[in-house]
Amino acid sequence: KNEVEQSPQNLTAQEGEFITINCSYSVGISALHWLQQHPGGGIVSLFMLSSGKKKHGRLIATINIQEKHSSLHITASHPRDSAVYICACQIGDNNDMRFGAGTRLTVKP
Amino acid sequence: KAGVTQTPRYLIKTRGQQVTLSCSPISGHRSVSWYQQTPGQGLQFLFEYFSETQRNKGNFPGRFSGRQFSNSRSEMNVSTLELGDSALYLCASSPQGALYGYTFGSGTRLTVV
Repeated sequence: KNEVEQSPQNLTAQEGEFITINCSYSVGISALHWLQQHPGGGIVSLFMLSSGKKKHGRLIATINIQEKHSSLHITASHPRDSAVYICACQIGDNNDMRFGAGTRLTVKP
Repeated sequence: KAGVTQTPRYLIKTRGQQVTLSCSPISGHRSVSWYQQTPGQGLQFLFEYFSETQRNKGNFPGRFSGRQFSNSRSEMNVSTLELGDSALYLCASSPQGALYGYTFGSGTRLTVV
């Protein structure tokens, strides 16, 4: 079993739909990161969480430390949100990361 | 403010050769970490350098090595290339470590033939 499990693997939505991507982990973490990767490879760090909830525009990230689970929500999805979303668990106070396999999101107009 | 710069963007090498990739972090960032991304294994942590010292290392063979210079620029080297080393190699820089926020470069796509 992988240390970081993401679901779903692939997700297709219509523009405007509410999206949820889930991440479960089995390792002890100091923080959890949500990353966005567009075609071509560039990765953008969306959120870093160690507890609770963060919001940035239409994106919301939550984490439940006791249940070792995090979710990334996208409200009012848009075709430009189409990308691969990756959950990354940070081990300790350095950049040792364990990554989920990613969720490929396609938002259709 | 310049971002994280990785060179070259694309590289084709032959099995058995060695390769050196470069990463210039954001000015003032002292931590540089390296990652390998392949279709089969996804993203994997290679190593992290902080103030010219390797602070942490992932589970990769000794053919993968790196270093960091006094200006925080980092290089990674892969010797005796294998077909399976074909991947996107990404570096990320942060002021002191990922807990302080980090920024990825665009990556170097290495193809081994």
